[in-house]
This record gives sequence, structure tokens and C-alpha cells, in this order.
Amino acid sequence: TQLLEQSPQFLSIQEGENLTVYCNSSSVFSSLQWYRQEPGEGPVLLVTVVTGGEVKKLKRLTFQFGDARKDSSLHITAAQPGDTGLYLCAGVSDSSYKLIFGSGTRLLVRP
Amino acid sequence: NAGVTQTPKFQVLKTGQSMTLQCAQDMNHNSMYWYRQDPGMGLRLIYYSASEGTTDKGEVPNGYNVSRLNKREFSLRLESAAPSQTSVYFCASILDRESTGELFFGEGSRLTVL
Repeated sequence: TQLLEQSPQFLSIQEGENLTVYCNSSSVFSSLQWYRQEPGEGPVLLVTVVTGGEVKKLKRLTFQFGDARKDSSLHITAAQPGDTGLYLCAGVSDSSYKLIFGSGTRLLVRP
Repeated sequence: NAGVTQTPKFQVLKTGQSMTLQCAQDMNHNSMYWYRQDPGMGLRLIYYSASEGTTDKGEVPNGYNVSRLNKREFSLRLESAAPSQTSVYFCASILDRESTGELFFGEGSRLTVL
């Protein structure tokens, strides 16, 4: 069974601080996605990374895919209250094309 | 612009009752998925359908059955509900399971089994 472990599980920070969320696995994924979920809604895609070592930027969010395609990180610069939510990483299996989700990181950005 | 529509949004069942969660997408996607989300557990894959006419088990299929009725619709059935199936259920679709595109989710169905 492929597992994706996210850390930390919960993060409470002050507006303006930086943070990094990690997504790790012992398995190789053909691609990895990051989603953000708000209460009462389904997850919404933020980014997809495909190539080992790939770095993508989305405004204040920077996503990195590990060289071995087993891990990924999400870095937020100068966090804002609007960044509050549940962040989920999801990996696509090479063999079965199933999308497996990590357990999520709940972020609270205090004004 | 409906996207993925799930019904019902809320349901309370007694142990042993059965019910079906309905899901429909209007994006002409080939692949559809059912996930459950429990506190602190992220999303766990129950069943998926790579294309019309096919279904496969995910991580936690026990106690569930699915039907891919046509390309648009993918239903999830609980034959004999148990308290352990209390959860929020999400249906999702993607153009093609081999793609790296976006998985589109419905708004979720909150199920409570007493």
C-alpha cells in the first residue's frame, strides 16, 4: 500500500510568517498534486508537479517535487489569513493511476 | 456550470439501513472516484472507475458497492450501514486517469450512521 505522510498535521502561525509543509513517501509517484480544501467544500487543485526536482511558483506559494519523485514540499511566504485551510498532497501511482491522498495539514493564519 | 454534483448533501441512517449516494459530472470526464474523508485521515479512496463500464477497488472498499451507470454517473451504495461508515463522502472526476490534470470534486455528502 502506498502511503503519503504529511507534516505537520496542524500549524498555527501569525500573519506574515513563512511556513513549509512536507509530503513524504517511500514510493515513487509519476506526479504529485497539492490541493487546498475549505470547510464544507471539496478540495481544489493548486498545482501538479511531474518531473523530479521540479519547482513551481504560484504567487506566494512554492512547490517542489523531490529528485526521486518520492516527496514534495509546499512553502508559503508571508502567510495571510486567506491562506487558512486544509492542504492535501496527492500522488498518482505509476502502476495503477490511482490518486492517493496524504492525511493533510491544517493551516491557521492568525491576523 | 455544475461540474460534479452529489446527492444527498446530508443523510442520517440507522445501523443496517441501506442507501445510495449519487454522483454526476457534466464535463465529459472518463474517470470517476469515490473518497471518504474522516477527521485527521485525509481522503481515502473507496472505489474508482477508470472508464465507463469498469470499476476497481481502492484503499477501503469493504462495505461498499459502486455502479458506473453511464459516462456521467457513478453511484456508491451502502448495503448495510455501520457506524464506522459515518464520514464525509466525496465524488470526483478527471478527464482521463492517465492524465496529470485536475481532479474535480463535488461538495461532499455528510453521512451519519447511528
